[in-house]
Amino acid sequence: GENVEQHPSTLSVQEGDSAVIKCTYSDSASNYFPWYKQELGKGPQLIIDIRSNVGEKKDQRIAVTLNKTAKHFSLHITETQPEDSAVYFCAARFSGSARQLTFGSGTQLTVLP
Amino acid sequence: DTEVTQTPKHLVMGMTNKKSLKCEQHMGHRAMYWYKQKAKKPPELMFVYSYEKLSINESVPSRFSPECPNSSLLNLHLHALQPEDSALYLCASSQLTGVVNIQYFGAGTRLSVL
Repeated sequence: GENVEQHPSTLSVQEGDSAVIKCTYSDSASNYFPWYKQELGKGPQLIIDIRSNVGEKKDQRIAVTLNKTAKHFSLHITETQPEDSAVYFCAARFSGSARQLTFGSGTQLTVLP
Repeated sequence: DTEVTQTPKHLVMGMTNKKSLKCEQHMGHRAMYWYKQKAKKPPELMFVYSYEKLSINESVPSRFSPECPNSSLLNLHLHALQPEDSALYLCASSQLTGVVNIQYFGAGTRLSVL
């Protein structure tokens, strides 16, 4: 089946530093790639997304880049703050899957004060 | 309003009980989803409803029975569950048109099966 691999599984950074999380996907026809943040005791919340016809998208301290040739996309968080600590999931919508998303395995990000 | 409301927040049930989880959204979304999430794992898709009709069932055991009574409500009926069914159950909704598929998630129901 279709697959999304996410790395690293855990990431610790000092407050103010940058954090990068990477995902690779298997279906070259995938067309939509969201990133979700899940805080303890809450459901996943969309933080940024990118469509396959765009190479990069930025929203304040958060950016996502997409390399369609290599079939990977990355989340970049700059000037990290303690409230960025959470589990982050990448996801992809594969070409034959209608509304379904396939999620990566998640990254536990810890921002140390 | 991008809120998906799930009730109850916590549920403890025995293996012989029957209970229901409820989900509500008022964003006009015509796709609704149930996911199961185990600790430190990503959400696993269970069911998808499109226009109030079940469109995807990811080989979920029959002890889980979904229901979509109208375009705003989604239920998950539980019966004769096993301890391994203990998990966070998430509801989500999205539009049915366009490339972008923003799924909005509720906070989930934390289920414990004793």
